[in-house]
Amino acid sequence: AQSVTQLDSHVSVSEGTPVLLRCNYSSSYSPSLFWYVQHPNKGLQLLLKYTSAATLVKGINGFEAEFKKSETSFHLTKPSAHMSDAAEYFCVVSLYNQGGKLIFGQGTELSVKP
Amino acid sequence: DVKVTQSSRYLVKRTGEKVFLECVQDMDHENMFWYRQDPGLGLRLIYFSYDVKMKEKGDIPEGYSVSREKKERFSLILESASTNQTSMYLCASSRTAEAFFGQGTRLTVV
Repeated sequence: AQSVTQLDSHVSVSEGTPVLLRCNYSSSYSPSLFWYVQHPNKGLQLLLKYTSAATLVKGINGFEAEFKKSETSFHLTKPSAHMSDAAEYFCVVSLYNQGGKLIFGQGTELSVKP
Repeated sequence: DVKVTQSSRYLVKRTGEKVFLECVQDMDHENMFWYRQDPGLGLRLIYFSYDVKMKEKGDIPEGYSVSREKKERFSLILESASTNQTSMYLCASSRTAEAFFGQGTRLTVV
């Protein structure tokens, strides 16, 4: 069965320090993987996506993620956190063989301290 | 820009009422989805549709039904609203892998 596990429910960093949000997936097929961000009282916005091209994926606002098949991981990173990065982040796997059904992780809330 | 529009941002309904949540997308996407989002539980799939008049149950379909009479519109129906259906409801559409989300409808059942 396909699943997504976000290893931290909450991450707190100081402004200007690196961000690491961890995600592991389980999929029988070569997956499409995404990171979405949700700011308070806002909809979900796509940060970046992996669809079997380059394993290092760059997204918006300086975020990037690396697909590691051997570790079944797709961790999200950013070199230097900004206050505006405070939000909830979701790791998502897409099941192309099921009409594009999306499986969400539980979410990681990122706090950024001044 | 792709647009997924949900008809209401906030709704308050009474227990037992029949509730309709509407979602419209303007990009001719085949796939449409309804999720509910609850604190600590993330997003859970209620129903999805990959074509007009087609529907598939997601992980938590109980107490809900859906309708897709036109490609651009996907409706979520709460047959008899209950307080445990108080939640944020999110609609999404996609053609291939990437999904686009509406702003959400925060439903309160009293």
